[in-house]
Amino acid sequence: GAGVSQSPRYKVTKRGQDVALRCDPISGHVSLYWYRQALGQGPEFLTYFNYEAQQDKSGLPNDRFSAERPEGSISTLTIQRTEQRDSAMYRCASSSGQQETQYFGPGTRLLVL
Amino acid sequence: QKEVEQDPGPLSVPEGAIVSLNCTYSNSAFQYFMWYRQYSRKGPELLMYTYSSGNKEDGRFTAQVDKSSKYISLFIRDSQPSDSATYLCAMSGTFSGGYNKLIFGAGTRLAVHP
Repeated sequence: GAGVSQSPRYKVTKRGQDVALRCDPISGHVSLYWYRQALGQGPEFLTYFNYEAQQDKSGLPNDRFSAERPEGSISTLTIQRTEQRDSAMYRCASSSGQQETQYFGPGTRLLVL
Repeated sequence: QKEVEQDPGPLSVPEGAIVSLNCTYSNSAFQYFMWYRQYSRKGPELLMYTYSSGNKEDGRFTAQVDKSSKYISLFIRDSQPSDSATYLCAMSGTFSGGYNKLIFGAGTRLAVHP
């Protein structure tokens, strides 16, 4: 079946612009995670949704970052007023339950010029 | 100091060698230990999952957890060129509220040459 999909795969933007990154989880998966992965590093937790509820946003770096999952399926990670330090790979993962295996998407590579 | 430490490598071995990959951690509350494999330009995929201490074997792969030393290992026997990838250790615990808030190591790049 289809895995986790993310769009766009690549995003180049200018400093100060807002960007929206989309995650489409595996059908039926109730748990959704966002991670950020810098080059040569492991993924770093950003936020977690259980259905539509954002249960943990402790990893979001600052208030320019926000995420939503209004219908408990597709999720959007929004970065406002982007800065060069926001450049990274943003990965989404979903799982069938809170303690179940996380399946990662291919990621969105964000480059802020 | 990071919660999870992992030697980034790279590690280069000949085909057929036994590979040992390791991570150390500082948070004694970690209970779930995972190894993910990440091929170039792909997302991480779960390879091994272990709860608490002990060993787990799956084909050519063996995962070991030593909670007393806060040390986990992944062994790959009879390594193949197709095993060439980055291996990430990841951990979580019930302290995170019942869900798997994974804490990853930096990943070790492995190259198996024919």
